[in-house]
Amino acid sequence: GQQVMQIPQYQHVQEGEDFTTYCNSSTTLSNIQWYKQRPGGHPVFLIQLVKSGEVKKQKRLTFQFGEAKKNSSLHITATQTTDVGTYFCAGYSGGGADGLTFGKGTHLIIQP
Amino acid sequence: DTGVSQNPRHKITKRGQNVTFRCDPISEHNRLYWYRQTLGQGPEFLTYFQNEAQLEKSRLLSDRFSAERPKGSFSTLEIQRTEQGDSAMYLCASSFSYQPQHFGDGTRLSIL
Repeated sequence: GQQVMQIPQYQHVQEGEDFTTYCNSSTTLSNIQWYKQRPGGHPVFLIQLVKSGEVKKQKRLTFQFGEAKKNSSLHITATQTTDVGTYFCAGYSGGGADGLTFGKGTHLIIQP
Repeated sequence: DTGVSQNPRHKITKRGQNVTFRCDPISEHNRLYWYRQTLGQGPEFLTYFQNEAQLEKSRLLSDRFSAERPKGSFSTLEIQRTEQGDSAMYLCASSFSYQPQHFGDGTRLSIL
């Protein structure tokens, strides 16, 4: 079945440093979604990428979807303490499989 | 829009007992999903409904698990003869078609 892998599993940064998490799928994705989960909270939708090579920005967050639609990345510029949490990528492979397959997430820990 | 509501928030039960969780989706959403999340992992897809029809079930959903969505509104997830390995956070999400999913706060199940 489809597998979605994320690296790194954990990332410690000093406040103000940049952060990047990478997502790779074993199959081509029809689209990819990114979610953030705060400690003790539930996943909250951030963004959806659909087109090959697509780049979207949300303030300090930049999301990219690979040309082959099998990989994606999330980059945060100048991290703040409010960025703490786990960032998940999730994808639909299509072909009748309608449940999202989530990666294991990257846990972002920020040291003030 | 009151969001996705799940209850109970916490459930503690003895091994072998049956448990039932409820999810009330966002009212205009036609799709409802159930996921399971264990510590340090991403949500794992269990099953989903489009309106009242259960369209997909993961191989993770053993015979002890059953989900219903009568009348296409709220949904229930029942686990029969609970086992230690069923301890997890059970998340419900809803969406309109392939639009991004909105998650509830989850039901945390602890098996004694």
